Amino acid sequence: DQQVKQNSPSLSVQEGRISILNCDYTNSMFDYFLWYKKYPAEGPTFLISISSIKDKNEDGRFTVFLNKSAKHLSLHIVPSQPGDSAVYFCAASDTAGGGADGLTFGKGTHLIIQP
Amino acid sequence: DGGITQSPKYLFRKEGQNVTLSCEQNLNHDAMYWYRQDPGQGLRLIYYSQIVNDFQKGDIAEGYSVSREKKESFPLTVTSAQKNPTAFYLCASSIMDRGRNEQFFGPGTRLTVL
Repeated sequence: DQQVKQNSPSLSVQEGRISILNCDYTNSMFDYFLWYKKYPAEGPTFLISISSIKDKNEDGRFTVFLNKSAKHLSLHIVPSQPGDSAVYFCAASDTAGGGADGLTFGKGTHLIIQP
Repeated sequence: DGGITQSPKYLFRKEGQNVTLSCEQNLNHDAMYWYRQDPGQGLRLIYYSQIVNDFQKGDIAEGYSVSREKKESFPLTVTSAQKNPTAFYLCASSIMDRGRNEQFFGPGTRLTVL
């Protein structure tokens, strides 16, 4: 049973436009959410995170929105650049146990930025 | 230069052999993790450790074993009991902080069973 779902396996966006990646979760105990960027044959790189006490977190071109009632989060990238082409993973965590349990990952969305 | 190192980058193993994957971090993180990635899939948790000499099973621990004798090191052994060992293995580490859980990953080891 997938607790974190990324329903779009791939997304194509024109350079300079906004990229919106979506993620849904089912476990109401999750209280911390993260986005990672991954290139083939490399480890994921941490991008941005958000705690469940917030509904938005911004870092440069990256903004994450959290809608707890809908159990939905999204990553916005503005403006999209060619170097943003990668697989993006949504991950979630229940930090009540001290914040060091494993993350639960979605299957990823392959973002392709077209020139 | 702080970070997480994994070795080797590529590993080949004959069926029926055990193999150990190395993971070292110099970030002074308390917690360390092992994940596995298969094509088209997300990362799945194998084992994790929050403190030296202690570790917990993740979602797919069968056929794997770990040790945590030093804070910096968390080696993973893929045993012959693991039915589908060919995969990309990722090690990560994090601080212990209630309310947060940013994990930082190493470059990965691709294991191929021949």
